[in-house]
Amino acid sequence: RKEVEQDPGPFNVPEGATVAFNCTYSNSASQSFFWYRQDCRKEPKLLMSVYSSGNEDGRFTAQLNRASQYISLLIRDSKLSDSATYLCVVNRGSGGGADGLTFGKGTHLIIQP
Amino acid sequence: DTEVTQTPKHLVMGMTNKKSLKCEQHMGHRAMYWYKQKAKKPPELMFVYSYEKLSINESVPSRFSPECPNSSLLNLHLHALQPEDSALYLCASSQDMGLNEQFFGPGTRLTVL
Repeated sequence: RKEVEQDPGPFNVPEGATVAFNCTYSNSASQSFFWYRQDCRKEPKLLMSVYSSGNEDGRFTAQLNRASQYISLLIRDSKLSDSATYLCVVNRGSGGGADGLTFGKGTHLIIQP
Repeated sequence: DTEVTQTPKHLVMGMTNKKSLKCEQHMGHRAMYWYKQKAKKPPELMFVYSYEKLSINESVPSRFSPECPNSSLLNLHLHALQPEDSALYLCASSQDMGLNEQFFGPGTRLTVL
């Protein structure tokens, strides 16, 4: 089983629609979970951290299910500017403070006008 | 100042050259990271520094040599690289505690001839 698994897409979605991405992770020691977005030839940018209680930031909602080792991201009222690759990211669970991140391969989202 | 800077943006080097990549952050973060990203692949962890000490080396070949001169700076010294080392090299930093959210610099795009 891959460490962090995502559907690579592409997801072609009309502007204004709602789109959901899912991700599974294999390392039960992981304690930190994130969604990053990466535009073509740019660095990954933190979109949001994912908490067990779920969290929302504007049009974006993230959920974590530790029992199923499953993370989701929901984007409502999608904008053309949401077109990007969305990376599901978990920490490696090495213990202590500083810890490397393990990235999924990313889900490519294309918002169509 | 909430950004991570990296220099140079682009680097072309021969297999016999010695060069260095530089990374700087002024967010007071105590953990810094090097990642390597090949085209259409997710970033892969190379090194982690915590409080200026190397804490994780992901079995990176010795032709890559990291250095952390102080809490704000991180270097990656390159020597005798191979063409397959051509990639985007990303630096990141984090507070070294809690959720370990990492913030990435724009990267150095390296081409080895």
